[in-house]
Amino acid sequence: SQELEQSPQSLIVQEGKNLTINCTSSKTLYGLYWYKQKYGEGLIFLMMLQKGGEEKSHEKITAKLDEKKQQSSLHITASQPSHAGIYLCGVTSGTYKYIFGTGTRLKVLA
Amino acid sequence: ETGVTQTPRHLVMGMTNKKSLKCEQHLGHNAMYWYKQSAKKPLELMFVYSLEERVENNSVPSRFSPECPNSSHLFLHLHTLQPEDSALYLCASSPLAGTYNEQFFGPGTRLTVL
Repeated sequence: SQELEQSPQSLIVQEGKNLTINCTSSKTLYGLYWYKQKYGEGLIFLMMLQKGGEEKSHEKITAKLDEKKQQSSLHITASQPSHAGIYLCGVTSGTYKYIFGTGTRLKVLA
Repeated sequence: ETGVTQTPRHLVMGMTNKKSLKCEQHLGHNAMYWYKQSAKKPLELMFVYSLEERVENNSVPSRFSPECPNSSHLFLHLHTLQPEDSALYLCASSPLAGTYNEQFFGPGTRLTVL
């Protein structure tokens, strides 16, 4: 079965710094989601990538999909305290199979 | 109410109790999902309903019993749970099941089993 590993597991950055979170798949990636979760709450959709090499941006967050590396990266520019939370990558793996990564916990110090 | 709502937000129950979690979506979606989120584990898909029909059951113990009376409502009936079932239970919906499309999540029910 497909597995998604995220790195780093946790990250503490100073406000204004840039950061990158990676999501590596054990199988070929045909598409990938990124979600953000505030502690103990539901997930908020950030973006979906469906093609190799695709890159999408939402406000200060940019995500890329590298099919060859079976990896996606999420980059935050000029981080703010509002970016704090848990970032999760996910895939649709076969019919009705939804798999998520282990999550990256981000803390931004003001 | 908009989006996906879940009630209750917090639940404490004994191992012999029977309780139910409720999820409601106001988005006109055709697919609904139950997920379990435990500490330090990836989010686990439990059940998938498409057009009110259960299409996926990920080897979930029978002490968890889902019900989808219509496309807007989803329940998770709980009975004789174990302490290891304590977790955040998330409901989600999407326009369709089985394809790449965004899932909309509820805020979750924090369940504690004593």
